[in-house]
Amino acid sequence: GNSVTQMEGPVTLSEEAFLTINCTYTATGYPSLFWYVQYPGEGLQLLLKATKADDKGSNKGFEATYRKETTSFHLEKGSVQVSDSAVYFCALEESGGYQKVTFGIGTKLQVIP
Amino acid sequence: EAGVTQFPSHSVIEKGQTVTLRCDPISGHDNLYWYRRVMGKEIKFLLHFVKESKQDESGMPNNRFLAERTGGTYSTLKVQPAELEDSGVYFCASSTGRRNSPLHFGNGTRLTVT
Repeated sequence: GNSVTQMEGPVTLSEEAFLTINCTYTATGYPSLFWYVQYPGEGLQLLLKATKADDKGSNKGFEATYRKETTSFHLEKGSVQVSDSAVYFCALEESGGYQKVTFGIGTKLQVIP
Repeated sequence: EAGVTQFPSHSVIEKGQTVTLRCDPISGHDNLYWYRRVMGKEIKFLLHFVKESKQDESGMPNNRFLAERTGGTYSTLKVQPAELEDSGVYFCASSTGRRNSPLHFGNGTRLTVT
């Protein structure tokens, strides 16, 4: 079956530090890959996505590249802000089917001033 | 447009009691999903409706869980009787189902069974 593995955290960084959250996946076929974010007290929001190999998703300064050869989709941001403090979920969705999403465990990020 | 709405936001019940969670999807979204995150674990798929029909309920844990979507609008998820391991956050999501259409999630219902 499908699975997503990501570091659990928590990850604590100082403002303006570089962020990497690793994500690897196992899937049949050619899934789409996502990063979702959950800010405190809110629901899940789509942060970025990539639908095929070598695609780069980007949003709000975050980036992730779909690497089929390493089955990875690591999330990066060059300079984090306090407002980026949230839980980040890596996820995949099988191609050709309904939006049955497989999530990772979530990584809690805390950015301190 | 209004987003996906879930009610209640938080529910605390005793083991053996019944709880009903409600989800109002975005108007016009035929696809409705329920997911659950147990503390410290992944968010897991529970089931999927297309309009009023259950398309996939392979993630439902056991027969204590009953989901309905009468009329193809809002959905309810009833847990009866609740057990301690049912505690977690229950998320609802909806989408149009068109290719590459995004999933819109609600804020979730935090269920605590004591």
